[in-house]
Amino acid sequence: SAVISQKPSRDICQRGTSLTIQCQVDSQVTMMFWYRQQPGQSLTLIATANQGSEATYESGFVIDKFPISRPNLTFSTLTVSNMSPEDSSIYLCSADRRGADTQYFGPGTRLTVL
Amino acid sequence: TQLLEQSPQFLSIQEGENLTVYCNSSSVFSSLQWYRQEPGEGPVLLVTVVTGGEVKKLKRLTFQFGDARKDSSLHITAAQPGDTGLYLCAGDSSGSARQLTFGSGTQLTVLP
Repeated sequence: SAVISQKPSRDICQRGTSLTIQCQVDSQVTMMFWYRQQPGQSLTLIATANQGSEATYESGFVIDKFPISRPNLTFSTLTVSNMSPEDSSIYLCSADRRGADTQYFGPGTRLTVL
Repeated sequence: TQLLEQSPQFLSIQEGENLTVYCNSSSVFSSLQWYRQEPGEGPVLLVTVVTGGEVKKLKRLTFQFGDARKDSSLHITAAQPGDTGLYLCAGDSSGSARQLTFGSGTQLTVLP
């Protein structure tokens, strides 16, 4: 398995500001992903974080709003830019390892935008 | 767009009762995974089913993959309060868990 940590665990932010969420994995992984989840609901994939190149975004998500970095195999960041109350959600980082055929999830970052 | 519908969306039962959660799609998946998520935590993998018709048992939990690999069910026998959580199915269309489509989720509450 892989142990994944996220920082911050929660934050309350003002409209129009930006927040960067960090995701750290304890071992080298092949793929890293960012999801959004409303409490008690399903997960929606935002993007796949690619090491050394631009992230691959899903339909409905754009780089200007959710810039992602992945400078190495064990670390990634997601920034939620120019936030509005609609961005209030739980943001989850996940990763997989070659041959594991599963994704391991971080504990999530609960974001509230006022 | 692949969709996975879960039912029921909410389920509240007494300790000791049995329950079944369903996960249905019109799409075929190479495998299907079941996760459980508790408040403040990320989803944790319970099981992966790969073969059509496959049945896997994990203590009191029984998972079944439909013959056509489009649907799955999770049956819990003699539910306990510790089973409380959000149950999510996720279909894998990539064959390597890199393209997961998550179901709508079932929030289970087991009352003591």
